[in-house]
Amino acid sequence: QAQLQESGPGLVKPSQTLSLTCSVSGGSISGGEYYWNWIRQPAGKGLEWIGRVFSSGYTDYNPPLKSRVTISVDTSKNQFSLNLTSVTAADTAVYFCARGSPTAYYSYYLDVWGEGTTVTVSS
Amino acid sequence: DIQMTQSPSSLSASVGDRVTITCRASQSISTYLNWYQQRPGKAPKLLIYTASSLQSGVPSRFSGSGSGTDFSLTISSLQPEDFATYYCQQTYTAWTFGQGTKVEIK
Repeated sequence: QAQLQESGPGLVKPSQTLSLTCSVSGGSISGGEYYWNWIRQPAGKGLEWIGRVFSSGYTDYNPPLKSRVTISVDTSKNQFSLNLTSVTAADTAVYFCARGSPTAYYSYYLDVWGEGTTVTVSS
Repeated sequence: DIQMTQSPSSLSASVGDRVTITCRASQSISTYLNWYQQRPGKAPKLLIYTASSLQSGVPSRFSGSGSGTDFSLTISSLQPEDFATYYCQQTYTAWTFGQGTKVEIK
């Protein structure tokens, strides 16, 4: 059974770049038709999908964040990463990584999640 | 962007109650709709995918229905561990979540 674990700095200064990594264990990041996702959740608020990456490197981003987001995959390390540039206090949130699994009808669902990591943007 | 609107935003119910949460999409999404449960301080957990398919290991008291723009999640007999926040998610394009429905103890 796959497991995901987020890692990265818990504190980032305004205008800098937030960088997080998700390590995948219990399976190859290249195995299967999975998308690897980042989702965030500000304290007391709802979930926001940030974007996803396929093992080939193909990416898809949430339009409001697209200009600031890069998601990449490192198959040799079985990891994928998030970079979010020019952060502000509004980017303070719990960041989750999650596996997107395909259905027989070409839709996807998020069936394996990391436990989440809190990132605070503050000087 | 496709907007997902859940109702109600919160509800109070008792153990044993039947509870229904609705989710409306701003345009048709076929059945590209998933439901998640999130307990405080935890990651979301998948309950239902493609509108009505029960995820493995999820109790059968959870069910989902709908297609197009209108969807619902029903808990047939609320259990103590079901008090949580529930989110719908569309995966038709540029995935988005509903704002959540908090189910509280009456």
